[in-house]
Amino acid sequence: DTAVSQTPKYLVTQMGNDKSIKCEQNLGHDTMYWYKQDSKKFLKIMFSYNNKELIINETVPNRFSPKSPDKAHLNLHINSLELGDSAVYFCASSPRVAGGREQYFGPGTRLTVT
Amino acid sequence: AQSVAQPEDQVNVAEGNPLTVKCTYSVSGNPYLFWYVQYPNRGLQFLLKYITGDNLVKGSYGFEAEFNKSQTSFHLKKPSALVSDSALYFCAVRDNSWGKFQFGAGTQVVVTP
Repeated sequence: DTAVSQTPKYLVTQMGNDKSIKCEQNLGHDTMYWYKQDSKKFLKIMFSYNNKELIINETVPNRFSPKSPDKAHLNLHINSLELGDSAVYFCASSPRVAGGREQYFGPGTRLTVT
Repeated sequence: AQSVAQPEDQVNVAEGNPLTVKCTYSVSGNPYLFWYVQYPNRGLQFLLKYITGDNLVKGSYGFEAEFNKSQTSFHLKKPSALVSDSALYFCAVRDNSWGKFQFGAGTQVVVTP
């Protein structure tokens, strides 16, 4: 069983479109995250939810909107896609919002905006 | 504010030789320190962590790391590198309150036969 899963794995779309990426974890974790990895492999946190509540909201364009229908799911919706949004997006989860527990990462979604 | 530095973009090592990947950190309070590995087209995989206790931490795939508080370092080590260890390695820090993980820029490890 996949611990943290993301769909789709690849997403190719044109500028101006709206798209969503879905994430699910079956680990029973309370906290979930979205990261963006750019072409230089730099990993930047975007959002974090704890028990469906937004707790981290980094400096991200408001075209990006996370939604957590329950604590096992954290989806990312992106409006009006731009070329600079092309990246790999990783979902992750951890047991709780604080403390020394590690994160578990999904396989990533490679978004290409043309 | 917390930060992590991985001073080397790439580390090259011959198979069978010792491997070291460097990481230094800055955090207020006591740190939680982590190492992750990323293989091509894959997500990050947890290797090991330091929370408290023994400064030498052992993890997956024969890796270990040494926490040095005075030098604020958490270097990753493996006594004998394998070609299959070639990957991108990330160091991460979290302070001991709730909050985000701060990742380093990553170090590409290349192990040659």
